[in-house]
Amino acid sequence: ETGVTQTPRHLVMGMTNKKSLKCEQHLGHNAMYWYKQSAKKPLELMFVYSLEERVENNSVPSRFSPECPNSSHLFLHLHTLQPEDSALYLCASSPNGLTYYGYTFGSGTRLTVV
Amino acid sequence: AQSVTQLDSQVPVFEEAPVELRCNYSSSVSVYLFWYVQYPNQGLQLLLKYLSGSTLVKGINGFEAEFNKSQTSFHLRKPSVHISDTAEYFCAGGTSYGKLTFGQGTILTVHP
Repeated sequence: ETGVTQTPRHLVMGMTNKKSLKCEQHLGHNAMYWYKQSAKKPLELMFVYSLEERVENNSVPSRFSPECPNSSHLFLHLHTLQPEDSALYLCASSPNGLTYYGYTFGSGTRLTVV
Repeated sequence: AQSVTQLDSQVPVFEEAPVELRCNYSSSVSVYLFWYVQYPNQGLQLLLKYLSGSTLVKGINGFEAEFNKSQTSFHLRKPSVHISDTAEYFCAGGTSYGKLTFGQGTILTVHP
C-alpha cells in the first residue's frame, strides 16, 4: 500500500458507457496527476492538478474529464470511449510543485473498452 | 528542456548475473533523479533517488545507482539479480519545481 488508492482496479466498459475512476490519497500532498500507460508506449501525462486547480491538460480528448473536488481526491470521468483508450490509468501525487520528493503512485486501474 | 533517455528498451539477463540499466538526462540546472520499478499490473514504486551529496545512491532490493555529472548519466545496477527482479524500470528527473520527466522504460527479464 503506497498511500495512493485507486478504484476500481479493473474496469470493462462499452463505448457508450459512462464510468469514473477514483484516486484518493491521505499523504498531505496537494498536487495530483493522471497518467495513461499503453502497451509498448511511454507514460503519457494527461492532467496535473495543483491545489485543486487544473494546471496542465496535455491535449487529452474531451471524452476524458478530470475532477479534483479537494486535495485528497481525484476523479477521471469517462464517456464515449474508443477501444484505443484501453490502458492502465495511473494516479500519482506529490507535495505541491516540489520534485524533490518524487511522486507516489497508485496501483492503477486497468481499463478495457469493448 | 529536461529530458530523460533510457538507452535500452529490453534487457535480458540470467539469474545471479549482474545488470546495468542505463539512463541519461539533459539539464542545464541541478537535477533530482529517480529510479522506479513497475511490476505487472501495478503502479510505479520508488527504488532510489539522487538529490545531492554522495554520487552513489543505494536503494531497496539491493539496487544502487551512480550519478555522473560529466556524463549526465544515472545508471542503475545490481550485482546479482533474482527472478523476482523481472519488471519494468523507469528513470525520471526533475528540477526544483515542475514536473518529473520519465524515460521510456526498460523491461528487465531475468531468466533461470
